[in-house]
Amino acid sequence: GAGVSQSPSNKVTEKGKDVELRCDPISGHTALYWYRQSLGQGLEFLIYFQGNSAPDKSGLPSDRFSAERTGGSVSTLTIQRTQQEDSAVYLCASSLSLAGARGGGEQFFGPGTRLTVL
Amino acid sequence: AQSVTQPDIHITVSEGASLELRCNYSYGATPYLFWYVQSPGQGLQLLLKYFSGDTLVQGIKGFEAEFKRSQSSFNLRKPSVHWSDAAEYFCAVGPLGGGYNKLIFGAGTRLAVHP
Repeated sequence: GAGVSQSPSNKVTEKGKDVELRCDPISGHTALYWYRQSLGQGLEFLIYFQGNSAPDKSGLPSDRFSAERTGGSVSTLTIQRTQQEDSAVYLCASSLSLAGARGGGEQFFGPGTRLTVL
Repeated sequence: AQSVTQPDIHITVSEGASLELRCNYSYGATPYLFWYVQSPGQGLQLLLKYFSGDTLVQGIKGFEAEFKRSQSSFNLRKPSVHWSDAAEYFCAVGPLGGGYNKLIFGAGTRLAVHP
């Protein structure tokens, strides 16, 4: 596609339910990132994929959070047993991976999924 | 610990006035530095970035930023603000090399523009 797309754009769920958030990166981008934007917290890094592997999961806040990427393309972020503190905008970004290049590739962000946990 | 501080949560300027948004960082070495803009309901758009070389970098939409190592700062400037510049601005730092950028963001500065 022309840009990074995310679905759904909005998700309202009840506490304790599981949710899945989807990210479609720009075609050909091998690197994919998930960030969380909470009110007053700025953006926090969650996880990074290179192809289908996740070499850096250090930002996932708890074991209720998981992510996968298939075919080197689409990624799904899953939150199990959602809590109210999970309410945030979840942003996905993708980039060309320029291994060894200084700074890597520019990250292109999707519009985000706004998650509200009641 | 690596961190980015944007001291101003909200800034209001008049259209046509100059703008400076502050960004300070704490990092173990010279980082890569970025400014992103987020318009309502939109994703983040890269305004400019600094990797090395000339410490004054030019970006899109008439923005520029200056890297000052001695002050650990990377302030964003625009000489004349337009109403369409109203948005939230994020400063970010990323690691050298490694082939990828795990970005650390500041909390953002929300800019309002008065006509």
